[in-house]
Amino acid sequence: GAGVSQTPSNKVTEKGKYVELRCDPISGHTALYWYRQSLGQGPEFLIYFQGTGAADDSGLPNDRFFAVRPEGSVSTLKIQRTERGDSAVYLCASSRGPTSTDTQYFGPGTRLTVL
Amino acid sequence: AQSVAQPEDQVNVAEGNPLTVKCTYSVSGNPYLFWYVQYPNRGLQFLLKYITGDNLVKGSYGFEAEFNKSQTSFHLKKPSALVSDSALYFCAVRDPNTGGFKTIFGAGTRLFVKA
Repeated sequence: GAGVSQTPSNKVTEKGKYVELRCDPISGHTALYWYRQSLGQGPEFLIYFQGTGAADDSGLPNDRFFAVRPEGSVSTLKIQRTERGDSAVYLCASSRGPTSTDTQYFGPGTRLTVL
Repeated sequence: AQSVAQPEDQVNVAEGNPLTVKCTYSVSGNPYLFWYVQYPNRGLQFLLKYITGDNLVKGSYGFEAEFNKSQTSFHLKKPSALVSDSALYFCAVRDPNTGGFKTIFGAGTRLFVKA
């Protein structure tokens, strides 16, 4: 079956602009996660959704970052007033949920470059 | 707070030899532990997980890992390495005492298998 998909695969923007990154989870998965992976680092947790609600957003670095999942399926990560330090690969994952032992399945990521 | 350490940036092994990729963790209680592999330009792929029960966990592609509570380790192993195993490997931990959904990843270990 179809895996987790993310669009766009690459996004280049200028400092100060607004960007939206989209994640389509595996059909039927109730849990959805966003991570950020900087060069040479492991993925860094940003936010976790169970259904439509953000159950844990403790990883969002500041109030420029926001994520939504209005219908409990597709999620959008929104970054306002982008900074060069936001450049990274943004990964989305989903799991069957709501059990925390469930395996997360990752998408290919969106590579964000802020010039 | 939970944390993961992968003490080796890189591991080199000859094809056919056994391989070990090391991981140690820190959580307040009994952890959930995971290994993922990342190939170039591809998303993270799940290899195996330890939740409870038998300390030796078997996973995909012939990999296995042993949970050692006294040493707080979860080393990844394979009896006979293949050139195609060359990739970036990540260890990850979840702490069920804090809800269990927030996943913390190590910085990764690059495995090179020489023919």
